[in-house]
This record gives sequence, structure tokens and C-alpha cells, in this order.
Amino acid sequence: KAGVTQTPRYLIKTRGQQVTLSCSPISGHRSVSWYQQTPGQGLQFLFEYFSETQRNKGNFPGRFSGRQFSNSRSEMNVSTLELGDSALYLCASSSAGAGGIGEQYFGPGTRLTVT
Amino acid sequence: ELKVEQNPLFLSMQEGKNYTIYCNYSTTSDRLYWYRQDPGKSLESLFVLLSNGAVKQEGRLMASLDTKARLSTLHITAAVHDLSATYFCAVDIEPGTYKYIFGTGTRLKVLA
Repeated sequence: KAGVTQTPRYLIKTRGQQVTLSCSPISGHRSVSWYQQTPGQGLQFLFEYFSETQRNKGNFPGRFSGRQFSNSRSEMNVSTLELGDSALYLCASSSAGAGGIGEQYFGPGTRLTVT
Repeated sequence: ELKVEQNPLFLSMQEGKNYTIYCNYSTTSDRLYWYRQDPGKSLESLFVLLSNGAVKQEGRLMASLDTKARLSTLHITAAVHDLSATYFCAVDIEPGTYKYIFGTGTRLKVLA
């Protein structure tokens, strides 16, 4: 079974631009979560989607948004990029249903650098 | 404010030695997860602990959960170089969703 895939793996953007990151979960997984990892703040929860609905959102500004498609693939978008948005963005998927119990499997991440 | 704290933050140990990493959290939760991250890599799931008193073992690693004390431990037995990595604990704080709050991470270096 293929794992969680994320594209692109690396990205360099300029301040003020916007970016879209993509995540394909493990086949059959309906829950997709996004996390930001930086040396200073560590791993921080962005949002979680289940069956195309956002179930939870972290404490990030509105510039960060996401969505999930009917095939469970997910995208996250960051508008008006700032230098502080430079980070590793990780996507995770889970096979658990609405009960939410189970483990998450993480993708390789997208390394975003904002200059 | 919810906090998930790990200690130590850095750990350098000799091969063959034993050590324990601690994960303290400040909210009620009976679901805790341990992950491993190698440099430049993603997170690998190690353990899923879903109830008070849960204990899981895999190879040289053993994890336990005490929800009353809000404490989880990751015990390393007879460390080997291949265990060198950063270890994270994560607490699932919202039943029914995957809103994980991660600990600060413990960077482990096992010296040959």
C-alpha cells in the first residue's frame, strides 16, 4: 500500500506570494491533518479534514486555509507569504472513522522556503 | 494553555545503556502517541497508547501511559546507534478529531 504523498517536496517562494501544497492520503483513509514544523515553534497543528469537512483548526491566521476533495486528497493554501512561514509542512492521514481513534501516518513533507 | 513538555530535550548516551524520556501534559487525555523523526525525514509512528496503564513494547523501546499523572514515558533498553533520532510525544486533545499537540521533542544521540 502506498504511503502518504505530498507535492511538491521543496518550494521556494517570495514574500507576498501565495502557495498551494497537496497531500494524497493512504488509500481508504478519510482523515487528513496538516502540521507546520519549525525549529522555533516545533510541530503545530494547522487543521484536520474528514470527508471534505474541516473538523478542527489550529491557531493560525486566516492566511492559512485548506480543503479536502471527495477522493480525500487535500490541499492547503498560504496567501501573502511571510518569512516566518518558512517551514516543513507535514500532512498525515488516518483510517479511523468518526470516532477519531487510531494512529496518523505522516507524509514526507513539503519544505517551504520564503525569501 | 495546553502544554506538552518532554524532558530531556537532548540526550547523549552510550551504547548499551538504559534511559527514559518523559512526556508531561497539562490536560486530560487518554490518547497519547510516540513518533520518531530522523534528520530531514518525516515522522514515523512508534506507539499508540489509548488508555490509562497502557504499556507497549517494540524491540528496545517501551512506552507507558499514566493518565492520572498526565505522564507518558519512553524507555530505552540497551541503546544502539540506530536509535539516534528525535522522539516526539503527541496528545490527542479533542475526542473524535485528530488535533494532536506535540511535545518539544527529545533529540537522542547514541554514541558507539
